[in-house]
Amino acid sequence: GQQVMQIPQYQHVQEGEDFTTYCNSSTTLSNIQWYKQRPGGHPVFLIQLVKSGEVKKQKRLTFQFGEAKKNSSLHITATQTTDVGTYFCAGSRDTNAGKSTFGDGTTLTVKP
Amino acid sequence: EAQVTQNPRYLITVTGKKLTVTCSQNMNHEYMSWYRQDPGLGLRQIYYSMNVEVTDKGDVPEGYKVSRKEKRNFPLILESPSPNQTSLYFCASRRTGGGEAFFGQGTRLTVV
Repeated sequence: GQQVMQIPQYQHVQEGEDFTTYCNSSTTLSNIQWYKQRPGGHPVFLIQLVKSGEVKKQKRLTFQFGEAKKNSSLHITATQTTDVGTYFCAGSRDTNAGKSTFGDGTTLTVKP
Repeated sequence: EAQVTQNPRYLITVTGKKLTVTCSQNMNHEYMSWYRQDPGLGLRQIYYSMNVEVTDKGDVPEGYKVSRKEKRNFPLILESPSPNQTSLYFCASRRTGGGEAFFGQGTRLTVV
């Protein structure tokens, strides 16, 4: 079945440093989504990428979808303590299908 | 306010005692899904539903049942819970065709 691998599992940074998490799928994806889950909270949608090579920005967050639509990354510039949480990617092979596979997540801690 | 509501938020039960976790959404979404979250394993999809009376298995359906008699509700049923079903459960909904998924607050289930 479809597998989505996410690395690293944990990342500890000093406030102000950059952070990147990577997501790799065993199969070509129709789309990929990114979510953030604060400690004790529920996943909250950040963005969806659909097009090959797509790059989207949200303030200090930059999301990329690979040319082959099998990998993606989330980069945070100049981390802040409010960025703490676990970041998940979730991929679907078919936009109209119901199955989605989540990566195991990258847990980010930020030292003030 | 757009929301997905799960009940109960916390539940401790004994092995073999049937239970139901309810999920309701107020956004008229066609698609609903159940996930379980375990440490180090990310979110794994249990069942999903593309619309009323249409349900399908996710990656870890064993030991669970669902029903979708109404668009807004998607209950998760554990006919005979076992300790390995101790987990954090999330319900999510979105419109058909992908895009932002809205998650409930989660249900922390302990089976002893």
